[in-house]
Amino acid sequence: KQEVTQIPAALSVPEGENLVLNCSFTDSAIYNLQWFRQDPGKGLTSLLLIQSSQREQTSGRLNASLDKSSGRSTLYIAASQPGDSATYLCAVRPRSGTYKYIFGTGTRLKVLA
Amino acid sequence: GAGVSQSPRYKVAKRGQDVALRCDPISGHVSLFWYQQALGQGPEFLTYFQNEAQLDKSGLPSDRFFAERPEGSVSTLKIQRTQKEDSAVYLCASSFRQGENIQYFGAGTRLSVL
Repeated sequence: KQEVTQIPAALSVPEGENLVLNCSFTDSAIYNLQWFRQDPGKGLTSLLLIQSSQREQTSGRLNASLDKSSGRSTLYIAASQPGDSATYLCAVRPRSGTYKYIFGTGTRLKVLA
Repeated sequence: GAGVSQSPRYKVAKRGQDVALRCDPISGHVSLFWYQQALGQGPEFLTYFQNEAQLDKSGLPSDRFFAERPEGSVSTLKIQRTQKEDSAVYLCASSFRQGENIQYFGAGTRLSVL
């Protein structure tokens, strides 16, 4: 059974710092991996999607990497800003079955001004 | 509509009551998902529809949970005889076509069972 773990559970950093969020998954048979952002009281917003054949994806100050063989992904946020404060969720789509995603428990990020 | 709409945003129910949660997906989206998110946890898959067909209901926790999408657009998640452990945020997501990677999420319905 696929399990997704995120470390750390919570993180507080001063504005301007570069930071790394970690995600690990137990079964490498994935179709893709996606990073989401969730703001309080709101739905999830997709940030980056990495196909299983890819190693990384970049969008602005965000860079996500994927090492499928070791079951790991990282989300790198450069020059963090208070507006980046949110919960970041990692999710994998298994190769088998329907098109659901399996989510980690998230990292709650607070960027201090 | 511009996005996925869920109603009500908040629902308080007494233990034993039945509740119905509604999801309006983005117009034209074929796929629709329901997820349950307990406090401090990530969303957990409940069920998946392709148009009106419920193709996967493996995540529904018990037979008290029932979902439908009779005309392939609006979906309703019904929970019968609610229990305290049903308290969670229920998220709906839709995507344009089968197998589409990007799922658009609604803001969710926060259910509190007293």
